Amino acid sequence: GESVGLHLPTLSVQEGDNSIINCAYSNSASDYFIWYKQESGKGPQFIIDIRSNMDKRQGQRVTVLLNKTVKHLSLQIAATQPGDSAVYFCAENISGGTSYGKLTFGQGTILTVHP
Amino acid sequence: GAVVSQHPSRVICKSGTSVKIECRSLDFQATTMFWYRQFPKKSLMLMATSNEGSKATYEQGVEKDKFLINHASLTLSTLTVTSAHPEDSSFYICSARTGRTTNEKLFFGSGTQLSVL
Repeated sequence: GESVGLHLPTLSVQEGDNSIINCAYSNSASDYFIWYKQESGKGPQFIIDIRSNMDKRQGQRVTVLLNKTVKHLSLQIAATQPGDSAVYFCAENISGGTSYGKLTFGQGTILTVHP
Repeated sequence: GAVVSQHPSRVICKSGTSVKIECRSLDFQATTMFWYRQFPKKSLMLMATSNEGSKATYEQGVEKDKFLINHASLTLSTLTVTSAHPEDSSFYICSARTGRTTNEKLFFGSGTQLSVL
């Protein structure tokens, strides 16, 4: 399943499917991007990050793709599990100096995984 | 890994009272912490940057007299919502930079749900 982030904030998939969550970022000066998972009533949980000198980075079951030309970020989750159900946010940052950590978050996408 | 502790996790108060929220870095010194606000089913919005030993830097539209930030030590930043009103009800989240010269990291607290009656 796939979401268009800003326009389709809800994504429902079956357990075992691959999920793709999209995000359009706004600042062309951003050079550091992070995906977070947030469960209800909890703070954001780091999933994976990528710097602007890369266009792809892989983690355990997750892959982040960065397209700087169109300012687009995606998170791919392989073999999605019910425990992956949460809200997923992309965040952008200018990593240099005092700006590091001042994150601008995207709208968020609600991922629901059905057993 | 590094842990950021936020307290309380939930607070209910009467309109007009002030509420203090604490954000602690447990195993690292954080010269810079950040405070975010999140409304239900919405994204996180940066409110202010908390700098140890100096005044906080507020984002545009955030009232500094309403949301008092104190970062008196390298491991503690506090956010005080003064004269709280129902519209201040929200989920408040802090984050902290580890401040390393290389491979710096960013960690989030678990959030505080504020409900103003």
